[in-house]
Amino acid sequence: KNQVEQSPQSLIILEGKNCTLQCNYTVSPFSNLRWYKQDTGRGPVSLTIMTFSENTKSNGRYTATLDADTKQSSLHITASQLSDSASYICVVSARGYGGSQGNLIFGKGTKLSVKP
Amino acid sequence: DAGVIQSPRHEVTEMGQEVTLRCKPISGHNSLFWYRQTMMRGLELLIYFNNNVPIDDSGMPEDRFSAKMPNASFSTLKIQPSEPRDSAVYFCASSRPGQRQLVNTEAFFGQGTRLTVV
Repeated sequence: KNQVEQSPQSLIILEGKNCTLQCNYTVSPFSNLRWYKQDTGRGPVSLTIMTFSENTKSNGRYTATLDADTKQSSLHITASQLSDSASYICVVSARGYGGSQGNLIFGKGTKLSVKP
Repeated sequence: DAGVIQSPRHEVTEMGQEVTLRCKPISGHNSLFWYRQTMMRGLELLIYFNNNVPIDDSGMPEDRFSAKMPNASFSTLKIQPSEPRDSAVYFCASSRPGQRQLVNTEAFFGQGTRLTVV
C-alpha cells in the first residue's frame, strides 16, 4: 500500500536553532517527492520538488534530501525564524498513467513551532 | 496575478443543506484540483481537471459530492446533502502541466474554504 509517514508529528525549537523533519515512504513506482509549507489558515506552498535522480535541493534556509534506496527524505531548516512556524507536508508522487494527479500520496505533516 | 481564489472563506450550514464551493484558478493554468483537509486524514485529493475535463475523480467520497468546471477560469465543488462529517477545509489548486504532464509541476493552492456542517 502506498504510504507516506512523517516524523515527528510536532516539534518545538528555539529561534536560531536548526531542525530536521523526516519523511518515509512506500510509494512505488516512485516519481517525485515534494515538501510543502502550510501556515495556519492558509494553503500549502511548495518548497522543493525532487525527482529520482536528485539527492538534495535547497530553497534558501530549507534543504531537502532524498535517498531513493531507503525511501527516505528529510527537510533541514537552518537558523530557524519565528516565521518558520507552520506545518510541513511531504507529498510523494507515484509514476502513473497519463499524468493523472490521482497518484499523489500526502503525509499528515509535521507541525513546527519556533519560539523566541 | 492574485493567485488561486476561493470563495467563500468560511461556510457554516445545517445538515442536509446544499453547499457550493467556488474556485478561480490562476490565469493560464489548465489543471485544477480539489482537495479536502482534516486533522485526522490530512490532505486528500478529491478530483482533478485537465483542460476543463475531469480526469480522476476517484477521491470523491460519495455521490453527494460533485464538481464541475464549465470553463478555464471557474470551478465548483457541490455537496448535496451536506453532513457533519463533511466539515473540513477544502482547497483548490491549479497548475500548468510540464512536459511530463504534471509529474514535476508545482501546484499553487488557494486559501481554502473552511466548511462547518452542524
